Amino acid sequence: QLQLQESGSGLVKPSQTLSLTCAVSGDSISSGGYSWSWIRQPPGKGLEWIGYIYHSESTYYNPSLKSRVTISVDRSKNQFSLNLSSVTAADTAVYYCARVPHPTEAFDIWGQGTMVTVSS
Amino acid sequence: QSVLTQPPSFSAAPGQKVTISCSGSSSNIGNNYVSWYQQLPGAAPKLLIYEDNKRPSGIPDRFSGSKSGTSATLGITGLQTGDEADYYCGTWDSSLSVVVFGGGTKLTVL
Repeated sequence: QLQLQESGSGLVKPSQTLSLTCAVSGDSISSGGYSWSWIRQPPGKGLEWIGYIYHSESTYYNPSLKSRVTISVDRSKNQFSLNLSSVTAADTAVYYCARVPHPTEAFDIWGQGTMVTVSS
Repeated sequence: QSVLTQPPSFSAAPGQKVTISCSGSSSNIGNNYVSWYQQLPGAAPKLLIYEDNKRPSGIPDRFSGSKSGTSATLGITGLQTGDEADYYCGTWDSSLSVVVFGGGTKLTVL
């Protein structure tokens, strides 16, 4: 059974870059028919989609974050990553990685989430 | 302010049936598939419904989804205390070019 596990720094200073990795186990990230996504949830608030990386490695980002976001994949390590630059306190959130089977466009498997706090 | 509108909270007794609404527009719900997610306290969201009304394997048929025009509905029958959670609708918005979620509905099972 496919599982996703986020990892990365839990505390990031303002103006620095947030970096997270999502390890995929139970299947190859190179399996066709899926894209991979990041979603975040500020404390006590709702869900915000960050972006996708498709099987082709093309990416699509939330326009509100596009200038600061990079999602990439490392097939040799069976993982994908999120970099978010120039962070502020507004980027404090639980960050989730998720799988998206095509053509459902729904997030069918989620990681447990990792809390990232932006603070000096 | 979420693009998709859900009631902030809902309460019902065990065994009852509830429906949670998700209202949008022609650029999102009206022309794209809707999915629904359950988020138990302290846990990651879990997919309940995809493509408006389909259930992933393992999701009991107590959960159902429907859509009419620019609104979608999640139905839950035979409410259980374990159904107490936040429920989110989500879809693609073709005008904004972004995945959008509702603000979430906190379901309390009294």
